[in-house]
This record gives sequence, structure tokens and C-alpha cells, in this order.
Amino acid sequence: EVQLVESGGGLVQPGGSLRLSCAASGFTFSTYSMNWVRQAPGKGLEWVSYISSSVSPIYYADSVKGRFTISRDNAKNSLFLQMNSLRAEDTAIYYCARGSIAAAGTTANDYWGQGTLVTVSS
Amino acid sequence: EIVMTQSPATLSVSPGERATLSCRASQSVNSNLAWYQQKPGQAPRLLIYGASTRATGIPARFSGSGSGTEFTLTISSLQSEDFAVYYCQQYNYEYTFGQGTKLEIK
Repeated sequence: EVQLVESGGGLVQPGGSLRLSCAASGFTFSTYSMNWVRQAPGKGLEWVSYISSSVSPIYYADSVKGRFTISRDNAKNSLFLQMNSLRAEDTAIYYCARGSIAAAGTTANDYWGQGTLVTVSS
Repeated sequence: EIVMTQSPATLSVSPGERATLSCRASQSVNSNLAWYQQKPGQAPRLLIYGASTRATGIPARFSGSGSGTEFTLTISSLQSEDFAVYYCQQYNYEYTFGQGTKLEIK
């Protein structure tokens, strides 16, 4: 069974940093691209970042470019999102999501974690 | 950036009736279009990818159509569990989501 479990969310002050993790199981993690998607309270879905199965290429939404860094450890079946210079508008549930086709580029996202809440507030 | 626009924002339909949701892209995304369903407190669920292919386990009452810039999600006979928010997503160039359509009971 495919499972994605996010962790690392919490309350952080504006300008602070946080590192999110996503633990993957039930599939060959190293062969699938991964994404981070967020959802602000009461709002819609916003794509944040993409990383291919082989680490390159990597893409970011304009809203987080230069502040967030996506990475993965294929040996540990883990996905990460390093978030720096956090702003109030980064407050959201952050989901990790799997690309639906192994060894492909950008694809639909077929499995999602339950999300981790990040709150940026003083 | 490719902008995805969904309409209507809210759709009121009675159980058993057909629902038609629209999604428009600001430029062609070919058939690289997905639809997701999200219920309160839950993660999104993939319904359709490649504009018209149902994901694993998705009932046949869900169908997708379109290519280029105009797409449609049709639910042929609404069940109680179908009332939710629906999002389209393009993955032709990076990713963009539409703002969502809330499908509510009439």
C-alpha cells in the first residue's frame, strides 16, 4: 500500500525557517517524481515545488522561488522542503504528492499524504 | 505561468442529476490536464488524468473531455458522496491548479 506521511509543520515566526519531511512507503520511491502542494485555510490548492525521480530537474512556484528548497533522499525514501524567510501568506497545510507515472516528467499526482500544517505568525 | 480558470465557482445540482464542470487554460496544455476531488478535512483525490482517463478505482459516472484550452468534467448521475470541491490541474508546463468548483446539493 502506498503511503505518504508528512511531518515537521508547526508554528513559526515571520522570517523564520522550517523543514518539512515526507516519508514514503509501499512503492519504489526512487523512480517517481514528487511534489509539494499547499492549501491556505479555506482556500484552494497551490502547487509549490516539483522534483524529478533523479533529482533534476526541479521547479518552484514563483511565490516561493528563492526561499524554499526541495530535496529528496532516495536511499531513505524521503522528500523534504526547506522553507526559509517565511511569511504570513505561507500559512497552509502542506501536502506531498506522488507523480503518477514512474520515470516520467511532470504528471498528475495519484497519491497524497494527509498534510502537515504550517502556521507563520508572531 | 499558465492560468487555469474554473467555472462556475459553485454549482447546485440535485442527486441523480448530471453535473458539468468547466476548466479553461490561458494557453494550450495539450491533454496534460487532471481533475481532483476534495472533501472537507481530506487530501485531494485524483479522478481523471490525461484529460479523459479515469484513475484507478474511479466510478464510470465520472468522465473528462477536452484538449488544448477547454476541458470538462461530467458526473453523469450525482451520488451523495460526490458533493465536494473539484479542482483542475495542468501539468504541461510545471503545474497550475484552477481555483476550484464547489458542487453542492440543490
